Amino acid sequence: DAGVIQSPRHEVTEMGQEVTLRCKPISGHNSLFWYRQTMMRGLELLIYFNNNVPIDDSGMPEDRFSAKMPNASFSTLKIQPSEPRDSAVYFCASTETGVNYGYTFGSGTRLTVV
Amino acid sequence: KQEVTQIPAALSVPEGENLVLNCSFTDSAIYNLQWFRQDPGKGLTSLLLIQSSQREQTSGRLNASLDKSSGRSTLYIAASQPGDSATYLCAVDQGGSEKLVFGKGMKLTVNP
Repeated sequence: DAGVIQSPRHEVTEMGQEVTLRCKPISGHNSLFWYRQTMMRGLELLIYFNNNVPIDDSGMPEDRFSAKMPNASFSTLKIQPSEPRDSAVYFCASTETGVNYGYTFGSGTRLTVV
Repeated sequence: KQEVTQIPAALSVPEGENLVLNCSFTDSAIYNLQWFRQDPGKGLTSLLLIQSSQREQTSGRLNASLDKSSGRSTLYIAASQPGDSATYLCAVDQGGSEKLVFGKGMKLTVNP
C-alpha cells in the first residue's frame, strides 16, 4: 500500500483565495482525520470521519473551513476565503476502527497564505 | 479533557547515550498510546503502539513502556545515533471517541 496520500505537498496562495487540500486514505481504513500543525499549538484535530460520515467537527476553527468525504477513498479540506493565520501544515491520517493498529499519517500539505 | 505533556521540549545529547523520553497524560482511560517520529518538513512516522492492556513494546533500539495508572509512558532509545535526531511525539487514543490527542513533542538532537 502506498500509505496515506496527500496533495499538494506545498501550496502558496493569496489571502482571500479558496484552497482545497486532498487526501486518499489507506484502502480498508474506515476512519479519516484532518489535523493542523503549527509551532504555537502543535497538532490539533480539525475533523474526523467514520465510514465517510463526519463524526466530530468541533475542531474546525470557523465556517471558512469545510471538509467532505464523498467516498471511502477520498477526502477534501477546503478553506474559503483563506487568511494568513491559516498558514500551517495540514495532515491527513487514517485508521481501521476497532482493530487497534494505530494511525497512519500522510506527508502533509504545507500551506502558506500571503 | 485529555491533556498530553512531553517534558523537556528539547534535548541535545552526544552520540551513544541511552535516552529516556517522557510522556504524561491526565486521563488514564485510554485505548492505546502511540509514539511518532517527525523529521523536519516531513510527516509523522509511527514508531511504536502500546495497547492499553500492554506494559511495553520493543522495536530494535526502541522500547516504549506504559503505566496507565500513573498516566505515564516512556520511550527508551538505546545507543543513540545522529540519525535519531528528530521530533518525537506521544499521542493517546481515547478509544470510543476515535481521536488522537498529541503532546507538543520533544526535539532530539544527537551530536556526532
